[in-house]
Amino acid sequence: QSALTQPASVSGSPGQSITISCTGTSSDIGHSNYVSWFQQHPGKAPRLIICDVSSRPSGVSTRFSGSKSGNTASLTISGLQAEDEADYYCNSYRSSGIHVFGTGTKVTVL
Amino acid sequence: EVQLVQSGAEVKKPGESLKISCKGSGYDFSSYWIGWVRQMPGKGLEWMGIGDPSNSNFRYSPSFQGQVTISADTSISTAYLQWSSLKASDTAMYYCARGAAGTWLYWGQGTLVTVSS
Repeated sequence: QSALTQPASVSGSPGQSITISCTGTSSDIGHSNYVSWFQQHPGKAPRLIICDVSSRPSGVSTRFSGSKSGNTASLTISGLQAEDEADYYCNSYRSSGIHVFGTGTKVTVL
Repeated sequence: EVQLVQSGAEVKKPGESLKISCKGSGYDFSSYWIGWVRQMPGKGLEWMGIGDPSNSNFRYSPSFQGQVTISADTSISTAYLQWSSLKASDTAMYYCARGAAGTWLYWGQGTLVTVSS
């Protein structure tokens, strides 16, 4: 049961935009609109920032946006801020009936 | 206010059994799925299993099938994750989460399990 593929790290300067990709297969991302993204700061529980491919839960900054094309989902963080420095994980429902996370991306604010 | 409160940190020896808990409050526990996630030290998130506590129908990720058991007691709004024989490689942080239509919005604070001889 392989994880979705994400870049290990992405960095950007304050105010810039960055995009994190998440590549799956036709059995998960390509098959489902249950694609979500989580932010995790060190020592903290994951926090949902994007659900259903592109929806933001209440309270999540509009600087976070999500999209999907084929078997690849993307998370864009615009107007990068120091507080955005964290690990980010994509997640998708898989046709086998379980969910699967991405490998995780460490975002560094330069 | 929806909350998931997990049991405290555990230190166990290899071969011992363990059951950790996740108590939901502020919502109808039977109406939402529960999932368990493992995070080994310095590593990423892994789904262990998810399912419906109202009928105890839980599905396991292949890596965890037969290794752990997920259960729930809706009368006390609590889900459980248990091991019959722990290994050193079970050392990790374990999170529970509440699911609805593929969305996992609420998470517990995590339970650190350390297995060492």
